[in-house]
Amino acid sequence: DIVMTQSPDSLAVSLGERATINCKSSQSVLYNSNNKNYLAWYQQKAGQPPKLLIYWASIRQSGVPDRFSGSGSGTDFTLTISSLQAEDVAVYYCHQLYDLPLTFGQGTTVEIK
Amino acid sequence: EVQLVESGGGLVQPGGSLRLSCAASGFTFSTYWMNWVRQAPGKGLVWVARIKSDGNTDYADSVKGRFTISRDNAENTLYLQMNSLRAEDTAVYYCVTDRNSFDYWGQGTLVTVSS
Repeated sequence: DIVMTQSPDSLAVSLGERATINCKSSQSVLYNSNNKNYLAWYQQKAGQPPKLLIYWASIRQSGVPDRFSGSGSGTDFTLTISSLQAEDVAVYYCHQLYDLPLTFGQGTTVEIK
Repeated sequence: EVQLVESGGGLVQPGGSLRLSCAASGFTFSTYWMNWVRQAPGKGLVWVARIKSDGNTDYADSVKGRFTISRDNAENTLYLQMNSLRAEDTAVYYCVTDRNSFDYWGQGTLVTVSS
């Protein structure tokens, strides 16, 4: 199984400041035939289902604010919130769709400092 | 607008069975891969099962042989038949579309396995 490890487990950031979440996969999730990383990021607010933010490691889902960005390739990935807003308080998960079983990171809780 | 509405959750005794349904609308259901993902109370996300548009299925090892995913394209409905339920199956179960990734999620239905 591909193990997804996020860091940190939680972070507190001041409003308007940058938040950075890292995700490392135990093996590459880059599909060489199409040069796509099968890595997605989700946001889950309290009491709600997860919401897709980023797919293929760096493509923002339609309607997602441009303060959210994804980067990385192979085994190391980053989700960045460039200017944290109050509504961004949530748990964030990375997810690999490269191989079965499909697996998620353990989640990173983002709070306001 | 994509809508996914799960139903069928509830309280069941260990060893019992339950059938979850997910009514889909707002997209061409028959062409989408679909998944079930679960989340135990206060815990993270765990993939359970997938069914492709051609009907082929995949399962997490923890549910293989006990759970069956199926779809009715005429009724735009996804199902999860859960047998031999265990306490560790207690979770909110989400129905999820699968195109580029897990694009859309339902609100979930809670399954509680307890005596």
